[in-house]
Amino acid sequence: NAGVTQTPKFQVLKTGQSMTLQCAQDMNHEYMSWYRQDPGMGLRLIHYSVGAGITDQGEVPNGYNVSRSTTEDFPLRLLSAAPSQTSVYFCASTTGLHTEAFFGQGTRLTVV
Amino acid sequence: GQQVMQIPQYQHVQEGEDFTTYCNSSTTLSNIQWYKQRPGGHPVFLIQLVKSGEVKKQKRLTFQFGEAKKNSSLHITATQTTDVGTYFCAGRVRYAGGTSYGKLTFGQGTILTVHP
Repeated sequence: NAGVTQTPKFQVLKTGQSMTLQCAQDMNHEYMSWYRQDPGMGLRLIHYSVGAGITDQGEVPNGYNVSRSTTEDFPLRLLSAAPSQTSVYFCASTTGLHTEAFFGQGTRLTVV
Repeated sequence: GQQVMQIPQYQHVQEGEDFTTYCNSSTTLSNIQWYKQRPGGHPVFLIQLVKSGEVKKQKRLTFQFGEAKKNSSLHITATQTTDVGTYFCAGRVRYAGGTSYGKLTFGQGTILTVHP
């Protein structure tokens, strides 16, 4: 089983560029989330989805957009990359409120 | 700001010593989950606690959920080098204006180093 797949694994962007981080899961999970991980800050929730067509903001949504057109995919878009968005990004999925979250391998993004 | 706080941020122990990390929330949690992230890896689920005062054990790991469902702890007895990594607690909290407990919020994590 693939589980949660994130692409790319590494990315370098120039300030002002845009890009999309891909996340796909094959477990038919309704809930999907995007987190960023920075030293000393733990995992901070960016955006969240409870199902296809439904998204919500997390703790640090500014500068990011999401959409959920299918159950399987939950892409994260950086509209105009800034150095403050240099981070490791994790996508996670879960079947419900009382079940474990499965994480992708992460995308390490550097904005120069 | 972050509503789930975790301490300490770092812990260095000698192999064989015990280790504890604490998690506190400003609001009542519907449940608490614990994850482990190995260096360079991704978070992996360890356990979930749901009931007030619940205690669960996994070999050398003991997990507790407070009576008020606002705090939790993870205790490792006799650490081994394989315990190295970052331990996160995570709870479902309601953000201002939110309508559900659907968002899983993580603490800052405790980075455990075990010296052989």
